Amino acid sequence: NAGVTQTPKFRILKIGQSMTLQCTQDMNHNYMYWYRQDPGMGLKLIYYSVGAGITDKGEVPNGYNVSRSTTEDFPLRLELAAPSQTSVYFCASSRTGRGEKLFFGSGTQLSVL
Amino acid sequence: TQLLEQSPQFLSIQEGENLTVYCNSSSVFSSLQWYRQEPGEGPVLLVTVVTGGEVKKLKRLTFQFGDARKDSSLHITAAQPGDTGLYLCAAPRGYNKLIFGAGTRLAVHP
Repeated sequence: NAGVTQTPKFRILKIGQSMTLQCTQDMNHNYMYWYRQDPGMGLKLIYYSVGAGITDKGEVPNGYNVSRSTTEDFPLRLELAAPSQTSVYFCASSRTGRGEKLFFGSGTQLSVL
Repeated sequence: TQLLEQSPQFLSIQEGENLTVYCNSSSVFSSLQWYRQEPGEGPVLLVTVVTGGEVKKLKRLTFQFGDARKDSSLHITAAQPGDTGLYLCAAPRGYNKLIFGAGTRLAVHP
């Protein structure tokens, strides 16, 4: 049972570099989410998608981009990485919205130096 | 400003003690979820409460949703080291979004 898979687990970037965080789920869920978790701040929603081809901004979208070309995949793109993007990133999925259970990946720890 | 305020922020107790953590808001929610997160892992859902005044039990964990559906509590009886982790409450905002509190970090010492 793979569930939600995120890669890579760890990454160090230099300021100004770009990268893509990968997320894939095998549960045929329509809804997918990207959160970031900073120490003591809980989880903040970056972007979410309600189905292939449909994405929308969350609470903290600046500096990020997403796409959803398939039901399974929801990559998060960081352009021109900044130290403020140092965080742990979690991808999650759910069958529907409306507060249904979220299934999380194990996270990507990103440091921008 | 957090829409969901969790308290306390940190809690360090001895095995066998009881504890309660809180999740409060000025907003009314249709439901509220509690997740537990262990180091290096994503959060895992413990329970969802949907009715004002609802009480749910999960072994030694008791969850309560406030009558006005603005707050919730999690009570752990006879805490064990395996209960150690970050406890997060979450609630829907709009149709598609789930927002989280900052969490309560619990350490249970043998």
